[in-house]
Amino acid sequence: KNEVEQSPQNLTAQEGEFITINCSYSVGISALHWLQQHPGGGIVSLFMLSSGKKKHGRLIATINIQEKHSSLHITASHPRDSAVYICALPSYNTDKLIFGTGTRLQVFP
Amino acid sequence: DAGITQSPRHKVTETGTPVTLRCHQTENHRYMYWYRQDPGHGLRLIHYSYGVKDTDKGEVSDGYSVSRSKTEDFLLTLESATSSQTSVYFCAISSDWLANTGELFFGEGSRLTVL
Repeated sequence: KNEVEQSPQNLTAQEGEFITINCSYSVGISALHWLQQHPGGGIVSLFMLSSGKKKHGRLIATINIQEKHSSLHITASHPRDSAVYICALPSYNTDKLIFGTGTRLQVFP
Repeated sequence: DAGITQSPRHKVTETGTPVTLRCHQTENHRYMYWYRQDPGHGLRLIHYSYGVKDTDKGEVSDGYSVSRSKTEDFLLTLESATSSQTSVYFCAISSDWLANTGELFFGEGSRLTVL
């Protein structure tokens, strides 16, 4: 079983739709990062969260440490949101940073 | 935006030549990491540093060496580049180990092609 699983792997949406990307994990963590990577681009840190919810503009991230699950929501999606979204977990079980395989999002006008 | 830059951003080289990638930060963060990103593999840790002159191997360190003589600079060297080292290389920094409590910042990546 993978230590971290993201779903869906690929996601297409029409502009304006509400998007949800999920990250489930089996390792022990105290925090989780959501990252964004545009095609051919660098990696940008969106959120670091250890509990509850954080909001930044149209992006909302939630985490439930007990249930080992985090979600990234995008409200009123826009074509510029098209990117790969990656969850990253500092695991104290394995003492390493574990990356999800990423969710490729395409938002069409 | 965090102050982290990588150079060069793009490089094409031939098999057997040495290559050095540079990561420079202005955040004064203790921890620096080099990752490679390949299709189907995601991000894999090559080497990391936990202070000046303190470095250690990651999961895919064969064929790579690193040096950190100053807090702000972390160099990744391919002593003799091979085609299997064609990849996109990312540098990352964090104020605490594995960004357990602090933010994690990445550079813009260095695309290396070994012919």
